[in-house]
Amino acid sequence: QLQLQESGPGLVKPSETLSLTCTVSGGSISRSGYYWGWIRQPPGKGLEWIGTIYYSGNTYYNPSLKSRVTMSVDTSKNQFSLKLTSVTAADTAVYYCARHAPGGIAAAAAHIQHWGQGTLVTVSS
Amino acid sequence: QSVLTQPPSASGTPGQRVTISCSGSSSNIGSNTVNWYQQLPGTAPKLLIYTNNQRPSGVPDRFSGSKSGTSASLAISGLQSEDEADYYCAAWDDSLNGPVFGGGTKLTVL
Repeated sequence: QLQLQESGPGLVKPSETLSLTCTVSGGSISRSGYYWGWIRQPPGKGLEWIGTIYYSGNTYYNPSLKSRVTMSVDTSKNQFSLKLTSVTAADTAVYYCARHAPGGIAAAAAHIQHWGQGTLVTVSS
Repeated sequence: QSVLTQPPSASGTPGQRVTISCSGSSSNIGSNTVNWYQQLPGTAPKLLIYTNNQRPSGVPDRFSGSKSGTSASLAISGLQSEDEADYYCAAWDDSLNGPVFGGGTKLTVL
């Protein structure tokens, strides 16, 4: 049974960098064909795609966040990570890591098979 | 403002059939497949329907999806109290070069 677990600070100061890690268990992050992603949900609001990464390192970012987002994969630890720079209160949200379905990016990115439980990150001084 | 448009709320009584719509454009629903997610209160979303009308293992056949042109629909028949949740549609958008979500529909079982 694939499981994903987000970890990282729950409180980040404005203008600083939000850093989260997703640890994958029950399956290999290097399994060919699968993409891994981050999605966030501000309190009381809807879902927003942040970005998606393939185990080889290919990345796809939301254009509205692209200038502030970096995703990476550590296959030795079976983890992938998210960094979001210059955060503001608008970045306060529950952040979910996820595994997309296999296939091409256009079919896979909107098809999320497994979700982490989510972690609330609050941006406040 | 979400790229995909859903009604903010829907409701029904136990046993009823309800539908939730998702309206998009030629760059998303019109040219790509649609997926639906169910988010129970306080939990992570769960895949409910993929590739327009396919159910993952374990999802009851009371849930069904359809797509026509630039719109999609989620139907729930034999409504149950445990179906009370938020429902989101999602599809790849060729113009934005990324997946987009609907704003979500809060389903209330009266």
